[in-house]
Amino acid sequence: QTVVTQEPSLTVSPGGTVTLTCASSTGAVTSTFYPSWFQQKPGQAPRALIYSTSNRHSWTPARFSGSLLGGKAALTLSGVQPEDEADYYCLLYYGGAQGGVFGGGTKLTVL
Amino acid sequence: EEQLVESGGGLVQPGGSLRLSCAASGFNFSNYWMHWVRQAPGKGLVWVSRINSDGTYTINADSVKGRLSISRDNAKNTLYLQMDSLRAEDTAVYYCARENKIAFAMDVWGQGTTVTVSS
Repeated sequence: QTVVTQEPSLTVSPGGTVTLTCASSTGAVTSTFYPSWFQQKPGQAPRALIYSTSNRHSWTPARFSGSLLGGKAALTLSGVQPEDEADYYCLLYYGGAQGGVFGGGTKLTVL
Repeated sequence: EEQLVESGGGLVQPGGSLRLSCAASGFNFSNYWMHWVRQAPGKGLVWVSRINSDGTYTINADSVKGRLSISRDNAKNTLYLQMDSLRAEDTAVYYCARENKIAFAMDVWGQGTTVTVSS
């Protein structure tokens, strides 16, 4: 069974920078996994942030950026705002036979 | 405004069935692949199912194969999830989401509908 692993929790100061990562149990994450990232606040539906590794949606603030880093997908928040406190999920695509797998999520605390 | 609205959730006994609906508006529904994603209480997101734009291709997560089935009616701008042989572990909020032209690039999400499987 494929497992996608994220940091369970991270803490960052307002105005700081933090990087969240997303690893696959099958090996290195590449662009062919089409990594995407989602933000979820309590009681709300997920909101899409990044698709296909590094592409922002039209509503995604520029302080959110996606990349590949050391065999993992990564989401970097620069100039963190208090409203960025949320759960963040990555999603990897494993092809037509398996579909997609979400990571377990990272709870980001802004403190 | 591009919008997805889920409905059909509720309380069902183990072994029972339920059909969820997702009504799309504000965009050409028949042009897009669609997904179902679920979230158990206090847990993370889990991808469930995917369907192509004309309904001829579907794929489900291993955990739901044979029990949950995705389908769509493009004439009604509606996505469905037929849920059979329900188990307690199927208790979750179920979200539908639109895939925007790139694999698993889910951009528009519904607000979710809650399914509770309990006797």
